[in-house]
Amino acid sequence: GAVVSQHPSWVICKSGTSVKIECRSLDFQATTMFWYRQFPKQSLMLMATSNEGSKATYEQGVEKDKFLINHASLTLSTLTVTSAHPEDSSFYICSARGPQETQYFGPGTRLLVL
Amino acid sequence: KQEVTQIPAALSVPEGENLVLNCSFTDSAIYNLQWFRQDPGKGLTSLLLIQSSQREQTSGRLNASLDKSSGRSTLYIAASQPGDSATYLCAVEEDSSYKLIFGSGTRLLVRP
Repeated sequence: GAVVSQHPSWVICKSGTSVKIECRSLDFQATTMFWYRQFPKQSLMLMATSNEGSKATYEQGVEKDKFLINHASLTLSTLTVTSAHPEDSSFYICSARGPQETQYFGPGTRLLVL
Repeated sequence: KQEVTQIPAALSVPEGENLVLNCSFTDSAIYNLQWFRQDPGKGLTSLLLIQSSQREQTSGRLNASLDKSSGRSTLYIAASQPGDSATYLCAVEEDSSYKLIFGSGTRLLVRP
């Protein structure tokens, strides 16, 4: 079946540093990927739509300069949290549209900003 | 603005029980509805996808129904097992943009 991977699975960083998270579709091509954020015991909130070869589309209230998205190929999208602060600590999950119109989700990346 | 609500927020049942999870959405103009399972600290696993033109889908012990006009979907789990313990999320896709709007989930615990 379709598989989406994320790297790293978890990261701890100091406040003010930037963190890059990778999302890869392993056995299918994805022109569109999505980035979600999930706070503890809450549901997933869509942050942005990542489009291969063009700019990402951000949801209302999401700062595009803080959450940089690059979709350089049909199998890779990256999310960079710039100048991370403790309030950015969260679980970040990506997804990609795969076969049979089903979205396949990555395992998530847990970010802790100290 | 589409809002998705799931009831109950948490559920604890003994092993073997049949159970129903509920999902409601405010705007009936949806493209499809999906049910996902999320284990603690993990990503999501797609369980069932129901197109807007369909009324139900089945996979093993799972059956999901969709009533677009009333803005409701139910996930029925037959003969529950401890391994079914997880958070179940429903999500609607409003159009072919592929964007999903999630409910807050139902945390299920099946006791041995």
